[in-house]
Amino acid sequence: GIQVEQSPPDLILQEGANSTLRCNFSDSVNNLQWFHQNPWGQLINLFYIPSGTKQNGRLSATTVATERYSLLYISSSQTTDSGVYFCAVTQNQGGKLIFGQGTELSVKP
Amino acid sequence: DAGITQSPRHKVTETGTPVTLRCHQTENHRYMYWYRQDPGHGLRLIHYSYGVKDTDKGEVSDGYSVSRSKTEDFLLTLESATSSQTSVYFCAISGEPGSGYTFGSGTRLTVV
Repeated sequence: GIQVEQSPPDLILQEGANSTLRCNFSDSVNNLQWFHQNPWGQLINLFYIPSGTKQNGRLSATTVATERYSLLYISSSQTTDSGVYFCAVTQNQGGKLIFGQGTELSVKP
Repeated sequence: DAGITQSPRHKVTETGTPVTLRCHQTENHRYMYWYRQDPGHGLRLIHYSYGVKDTDKGEVSDGYSVSRSKTEDFLLTLESATSSQTSVYFCAISGEPGSGYTFGSGTRLTVV
């Protein structure tokens, strides 16, 4: 089955710093999403981005489907950005969402 | 946030007892999913549904059953709970192409 690999596994930042998280996938996909799991365990949908670039405030994401990777960019990080960031993909509509292992981000004040 | 509610939010139960978790949606989405999240394993799919009375197994379905008698409700049942089923359970929904997946707030289940 399709493999989803995220890097780095862990990241510690000082407040105000920028960061880039990467997601590589082993086969073509029709859906890619980025989620943030906050310290209370809630999974929050950040981006639905099977291809192209999207921006939402300090966060942006780019997926290059032909090269099988996606990037999540966090600018001017804040302590509330802490948590685990997951990339997840499916290969058909309604199909199983396959998760990467996540990047655990800690933003220090 | 999308209309998806999980109940209960927390539950402690004894080994061998049956447990049912409920996922309720108000979005009229066709697809519904149950995942479990465990340290070191990420999120893994248990069962999913692609319509009323239409369900299929995921990668970790042993020990679990599901039912979907109405579009809005997807039930996950542990017929005889075991300690290995202690986990956080998430429900998710998906609708029209391009809408992505939305997750509920999770149910923390402890089997003692």
